[in-house]
Amino acid sequence: NAGVTQTPKFQVLKTGQSMTLQCAQDMNHEYMSWYRQDPGMGLRLIHYSVGAGITDQGEVPNGYNVSRSTTEDFPLRLLSAAPSQTSVYFCASSARTGEVEAFFGQGTRLTVV
Amino acid sequence: GDSVTQMEGPVTLSEEAFLTINCTYTATGYPSLFWYVQYPGEGLQLLLKATKADDKGSNKGFEATYRKETTSFHLEKGSVQVSDSAVYFCALSDQRGYSTLTFGKGTMLLVSP
Repeated sequence: NAGVTQTPKFQVLKTGQSMTLQCAQDMNHEYMSWYRQDPGMGLRLIHYSVGAGITDQGEVPNGYNVSRSTTEDFPLRLLSAAPSQTSVYFCASSARTGEVEAFFGQGTRLTVV
Repeated sequence: GDSVTQMEGPVTLSEEAFLTINCTYTATGYPSLFWYVQYPGEGLQLLLKATKADDKGSNKGFEATYRKETTSFHLEKGSVQVSDSAVYFCALSDQRGYSTLTFGKGTMLLVSP
């Protein structure tokens, strides 16, 4: 059972470059979210989705775009990378009903130079 | 908005010592409360949860009780092991779903033999 899969695991970008962080889940979960983890800051919510075609901003959305065309996938796009976006990014998913739990991917460590 | 405050670390203990990590929250409505654990280089895993006042969550010897009167959800374990060394996050979820979480900043626990 794969759960939540994030790719890539590591990435180095130059300032101004764009890229997409991939997140896929195979549990048919309606809810998906993206977080960034910075030292001493815990995890902060970037964007979230409550179903295919529906997304909304979290606490720190600036510089990031998302879309949700399928239930399984929730990619995070960095339009023009900045050093301040150096972080570890986590994707999570959860069911609408039943399981009271979020499932997390293994994370993507992004460095912007 | 919602917020979670947890004690700063690192918390350094000897094996078999008693553990308490304090967590308090501010939220509107009736959030669900969680403790997640992160081992080095990994994503987050659910440790325990409570969905209503006076519920006690427990798992692997860890316990926490949802105290609405003190808005607290303190994590305890009677006898820690070296393998418990990790970062512990207190979190709450609201009506946006269980993967849309507000996290504390995390507490690192270091257990020595």
